[in-house]
Amino acid sequence: DGGITQSPKYLFRKEGQNVTLSCEQNLNHDAMYWYRQDPGQGLRLIYYSQIVNDFQKGDIAEGYSVSREKKESFPLTVTSAQKNPTAFYLCASSIREGTVPTYEQYFGPGTRLTVT
Amino acid sequence: AQTVTQSQPEMSVQEAETVTLSCTYDTSENNYYLFWYKQPPSRQMILVIRQEAYKQQNATENRFSVNFQKAAKSFSLKISDSQLGDTAMYFCAFMKRAYNQGGKLIFGQGTELSVKP
Repeated sequence: DGGITQSPKYLFRKEGQNVTLSCEQNLNHDAMYWYRQDPGQGLRLIYYSQIVNDFQKGDIAEGYSVSREKKESFPLTVTSAQKNPTAFYLCASSIREGTVPTYEQYFGPGTRLTVT
Repeated sequence: AQTVTQSQPEMSVQEAETVTLSCTYDTSENNYYLFWYKQPPSRQMILVIRQEAYKQQNATENRFSVNFQKAAKSFSLKISDSQLGDTAMYFCAFMKRAYNQGGKLIFGQGTELSVKP
């Protein structure tokens, strides 16, 4: 089945440690996205990538880093510089027609990160 | 900058009844999309319905329909014949359609809908 996988579902880390969240898609989508969800705030864009080896900062990129070495994969690293890393993280992807990503984004099941 | 506002944090409706969720947005753009996403307790985000700003006709998807008022910057979601499976958090979202925006979605704060038997 085609889709987006995120692993693990729950992740626990000690404060001061970097942690990498996995996002893999087999939909052959060019564009991929990372969102953060906090209670009462909806989703906010962290980083996005329209093609391999290219990515841009979203609204809340500070304390995060990404890479896009393969079309299928878009891992997100939460660094120790992120002040409030505990949150629910969602990865998404979409087709890219020409130079404009299409409107429909497909979401993964998410990863709940808890940092203590 | 674009903003999306959902003024109803929580709503409830009886099964088989109709409910309307409100959403307003602020933008100076003319070419954009609007969406309603559903997030059930599983937390999987599911696209419910979308509206292209250039289309005057309101979008419908089975029991789901929207009331798109472009001048008023309003985009409400109507759910008819509510079912228990409609219980979820509903998010309104905006996307500017442009090359350098990368398909960026801007979400509202969400409305938690409970459908009661």
